[in-house]
Amino acid sequence: AQSVTQLDSQVPVFEEAPVELRCNYSSSVSVYLFWYVQYPNQGLQLLLKYLSGSTLVKGINGFEAEFNKSQTSFHLRKPSVHISDTAEYFCAVVSSNTGKLIFGQGTTLQVKP
Amino acid sequence: EAGVTQFPSHSVIEKGQTVTLRCDPISGHDNLYWYRRVMGKEIKFLLHFVKESKQDESGMPNNRFLAERTGGTYSTLKVQPAELEDSGVYFCASSKLAGPTGELFFGEGSRLTVL
Repeated sequence: AQSVTQLDSQVPVFEEAPVELRCNYSSSVSVYLFWYVQYPNQGLQLLLKYLSGSTLVKGINGFEAEFNKSQTSFHLRKPSVHISDTAEYFCAVVSSNTGKLIFGQGTTLQVKP
Repeated sequence: EAGVTQFPSHSVIEKGQTVTLRCDPISGHDNLYWYRRVMGKEIKFLLHFVKESKQDESGMPNNRFLAERTGGTYSTLKVQPAELEDSGVYFCASSKLAGPTGELFFGEGSRLTVL
């Protein structure tokens, strides 16, 4: 069975600092990887996805993530965060044999001035 | 273009009562999904409609939950009778394509509180 682990439930960071939100997955089949963001009082929004090809994926709002097959990781990074990046971030996988999205527990990014 | 809309945004009911959540997907999206997040836990898949047919309902917790999508447009998720453990946020999502290449667009969620 597939699973996703987000290692940090909360990540506090100061504005303009870099940030990395960690995500590890387990799967015995090919996976497709996603990061979603939920801003306060809004729905989930797709940040970026890895389906195939280049392991470094760039998304919206200056975020990027790197697929590392050997470490089964898909960490999300941003070199300089803004207050407006304060939100909850979800890593997710889609298994090629079930087609269902499987989410991690979520990481709350708190950007402080 | 309107996004995925869900109603109500918040519902508070007593144990044993019935609640019906509604989801209006993006027009033209044949695929409609329900997910649920119980407090402190991860978001979990409930079921997937393709048009009016249930493609996959393996995530439905038990027979107190009934999902419908009559006519292949909006969908309802009924919980009857509600139990305390049903409290959480119920998300609806829709997509034009199924599978990993089809981007899911999520609604804001319906928060259900069972007292």
